[in-house]
Amino acid sequence: DTEVTQTPKHLVMGMTNKKSLKCEQHMGHRAMYWYKQKAKKPPELMFVYSYEKLSINESVPSRFSPECPNSSLLNLHLHALQPEDSALYLCASSQPWAGGNYGYTFGSGTRLTVV
Amino acid sequence: KNEVEQSPQNLTAQEGEFITINCSYSVGISALHWLQQHPGGGIVSLFMLSSGKKKHGRLIATINIQEKHSSLHITASHPRDSAVYICAVRGSNYQLIWGAGTKLIIKP
Repeated sequence: DTEVTQTPKHLVMGMTNKKSLKCEQHMGHRAMYWYKQKAKKPPELMFVYSYEKLSINESVPSRFSPECPNSSLLNLHLHALQPEDSALYLCASSQPWAGGNYGYTFGSGTRLTVV
Repeated sequence: KNEVEQSPQNLTAQEGEFITINCSYSVGISALHWLQQHPGGGIVSLFMLSSGKKKHGRLIATINIQEKHSSLHITASHPRDSAVYICAVRGSNYQLIWGAGTKLIIKP
C-alpha cells in the first residue's frame, strides 16, 4: 500500500460545528503532516508528527487540534472555524529523516468550506 | 528573493511538444521533489532527486547539485499533462520549501 488516504473528500461545516478530518497511511512512515492550501498558493505547513509526537506546530490557531492516535493515523479536529479557514487540507507522510530515497507521499486532500 | 524559484510561471503548448520546467534553489538541500497537482485536486509526487537523473514514462527529471538547479521534462506532451507542477526542496529538517508552481496547459 503506497497511498495516503484522506476522508472525507469534501466537507461543509458551520462556524459552530465540530468536525474531524482523517488521514491514514500503511507505508510504515513515522512522520505525518497537515498542510493547508488556499487557491493558487503553495501548501502551508500546519503540524508535523514524528513517532506519534507533535514536533512542529506552525502557530496554528487552537480551533485546529491535531491528534495522532497511532503510527498510521492522523486526525485534525475542527471547532469554531471561520470562513477564511475554507481551503484544501492535505495530509502527507514520510520517514522522519532526510536524505536517501525517502520521499513524501501526499493524500488527495479534504476540500473544506466553512459557512 | 524566494529560496525556490520556478520558471516559467505559466506555459501553454500544443500536444506533442517537448516541455521543460525549471527550478532553482538557494539553500542546502537533502532532496528535491517534483510534484503535480490537478485543479482542485491533491498532490502527486512525481520524483524525488538528490543527484543525477530519473525517468518515469514520458517524464524526466534532472538535478545539478553544484548549480542548484533542476529541470522537469515532459516528452510527447498530452492534454492530460495539464496541471500545476511544483518544485519543493527538503533541507535537514521536516520542512519542504515550495516553489510557486508552473501552470501547464497542453492544447489538443
